[in-house]
Amino acid sequence: NAGVTQTPKFRVLKTGQSMTLLCAQDMNHEYMYWYRQDPGMGLRLIHYSVGEGTTAKGEVPDGYNVSRLKKQNFLLGLESAAPSQTSVYFCASSPAWPALNSPLHFGNGTRLTVT
Amino acid sequence: AQSVTQPDIHITVSEGASLELRCNYSYGATPYLFWYVQSPGQGLQLLLKYFSGDTLVQGIKGFEAEFKRSQSSFNLRKPSVHWSDAAEYFCAVGPPQAGTALIFGKGTTLSVSS
Repeated sequence: NAGVTQTPKFRVLKTGQSMTLLCAQDMNHEYMYWYRQDPGMGLRLIHYSVGEGTTAKGEVPDGYNVSRLKKQNFLLGLESAAPSQTSVYFCASSPAWPALNSPLHFGNGTRLTVT
Repeated sequence: AQSVTQPDIHITVSEGASLELRCNYSYGATPYLFWYVQSPGQGLQLLLKYFSGDTLVQGIKGFEAEFKRSQSSFNLRKPSVHWSDAAEYFCAVGPPQAGTALIFGKGTTLSVSS
């Protein structure tokens, strides 16, 4: 059982380039999330999805787009990367609304550097 | 506005000593509360959670946390710290309504000295 898998693990981009981060979960979870983690800032929610075909903005959505075409996948896109998007990106999933008995399951992260 | 504050950015504890990590929250209603741990290079793992009932909750790895409504706090404790406990710890609050996500604190880094 793989849980939450993030691809790629590392990436270096030049300013202005685009890329897509892939998150895949094999637990049939309804909710999926993208967070970014920066030193001294903790985890900040970028976008999330409460089910297939749905997405919603989190705390820091600017510069990112997401899609949830399939229940098991949640894609995070950067259309024109900026140095401020250098961060570690975490995907997470949960079976339901996280305040219930439904803990978040995290992937191991993607370390992105934008030069 | 909802918020989570972890006042201590970095704490160093001697191996075998007790540990308390602080977490304060600001919320309009009784929140759902969580502690997560992140080992270097890894994702976050749930340590424990509180929804209602007994205000002292037990988690994995010998951790416990106490909910104090009057102080809006949910502090994490461990009686005897092991070197393997060195990690970053995050407190999080869950809103009472569906369709939303957890709010995380900025984290406390725990170092364990021998």
